[in-house]
Amino acid sequence: EVQLVESGGGLVQPGGSLRLSCAASGFTFSSYWMTWVRQAPGKGLEWVADIKEDGGEKYYVDSVKGRFTISRDIAKNSLFLQMNSLRVEDTAVYYCARDDGTYRYFDKWGQGTLVTVSS
Amino acid sequence: DIQMTQSPSTLSAFVGDRVTITCRASQSISAWLAWYQQKPGKAPKLLIYKTSSLESGVPSRFSGSASGTEFTLTISSLQPDDFATYYCQQYYIYPLTFGGGTKVEIK
Repeated sequence: EVQLVESGGGLVQPGGSLRLSCAASGFTFSSYWMTWVRQAPGKGLEWVADIKEDGGEKYYVDSVKGRFTISRDIAKNSLFLQMNSLRVEDTAVYYCARDDGTYRYFDKWGQGTLVTVSS
Repeated sequence: DIQMTQSPSTLSAFVGDRVTITCRASQSISAWLAWYQQKPGKAPKLLIYKTSSLESGVPSRFSGSASGTEFTLTISSLQPDDFATYYCQQYYIYPLTFGGGTKVEIK
């Protein structure tokens, strides 16, 4: 069974940093693109970033470019999101998701981890 | 960026009703569109990909179609488990973008 388990969320002050992790199991992690999607409280879904199977390609939404970095550790079956210079508007539940094997839609999702940016 | 406009934003319906949700793309995305269902406090769940392909395990009362840049999710006979929020997503080009969501409520 595919499982994605996020961790690392919490309360952080504006300008601070946080690193999210996603532990993957039940599938060959090295064969799939992986993605972070976020959802602000009471709002819709927003794609944040994704990363190729080998980490060789990464894409970001404009609002996080230069502040967030997506990475993966294939040996540990883990996906990460390093978030720096956090803003109040980054407050959201962050979901880790698996891309389909070929295309950029998301067939498996984690349960999410809440990031709150507030002073 | 490609804008995905969903309508309506909220829909009230009875169990057994046929329900249609629309998603319009601001430019051509070919057939690269997915639909998700999300219940309160839960992660989204993939329903349909490539406009009309049903994800494994999803009931056949869900279907998808398209006409040009207008995409439709249809629930043929609404069931109690279907009351949720539905999102479309284009994966034709980066940045990947979602529609604003359609909340299906009990009438």
